[in-house]
Amino acid sequence: DQQVKQNSPSLSVQEGRISILNCDYTNSMFDYFLWYKKYPAEGPTFLISISSIKDKNEDGRFTVFLNKSAKHLSLHIVPSQPGDSAVYFCAARPYNNNDMRFGAGTRLTVKP
Amino acid sequence: KAGVTQTPRYLIKTRGQQVTLSCSPISGHRSVSWYQQTPGQGLQFLFEYFSETQRNKGNFPGRFSGRQFSNSRSEMNVSTLELGDSALYLCASSRDASSYNEQFFGPGTRLTVL
Repeated sequence: DQQVKQNSPSLSVQEGRISILNCDYTNSMFDYFLWYKKYPAEGPTFLISISSIKDKNEDGRFTVFLNKSAKHLSLHIVPSQPGDSAVYFCAARPYNNNDMRFGAGTRLTVKP
Repeated sequence: KAGVTQTPRYLIKTRGQQVTLSCSPISGHRSVSWYQQTPGQGLQFLFEYFSETQRNKGNFPGRFSGRQFSNSRSEMNVSTLELGDSALYLCASSRDASSYNEQFFGPGTRLTVL
């Protein structure tokens, strides 16, 4: 039962351009959404989160947008840098429960 | 502030054996969750402990168990290992089990079952 979906397994962008990573969810109980970045042989690193009471959260080059009616969120990275190349995971959970569900991940490659 | 630590980092076992993995959360964090990552299934939630009590459990067989100590350190045990248990086991900690607190992950323990 894939409650969180990242339909793009990979994304390649040019350095300096915008990277947009997408995520869809099905469970209406989810109201806290997180993005993690992962390098091989390391644990996921928290990037940015958004609660369901907001539709946008920004932190430096990273912005997360939430469309609750469409059950869709996206992560924008502007400008993209080669060091951003990694696998990005979208995750979701209810606010009062740490049972976090992850998408399958999107491998981002930023070309110099 | 030290991050989440997991020991050991790598482990090789044979089928039928049991294994215990350890996780030390960030100081002040009382919630510890465990996840399994495999190429086929991705990141899957195993269970969460808060104040020495299991609060949530994922869809894994009873061979997977855990516990939490009074200092919030947690251990995960897998008995009667199967080849399919080969995975990266990740531990994550957060301040508590409610509200909008992000979870911080450790580096993981890579378990190989031969």
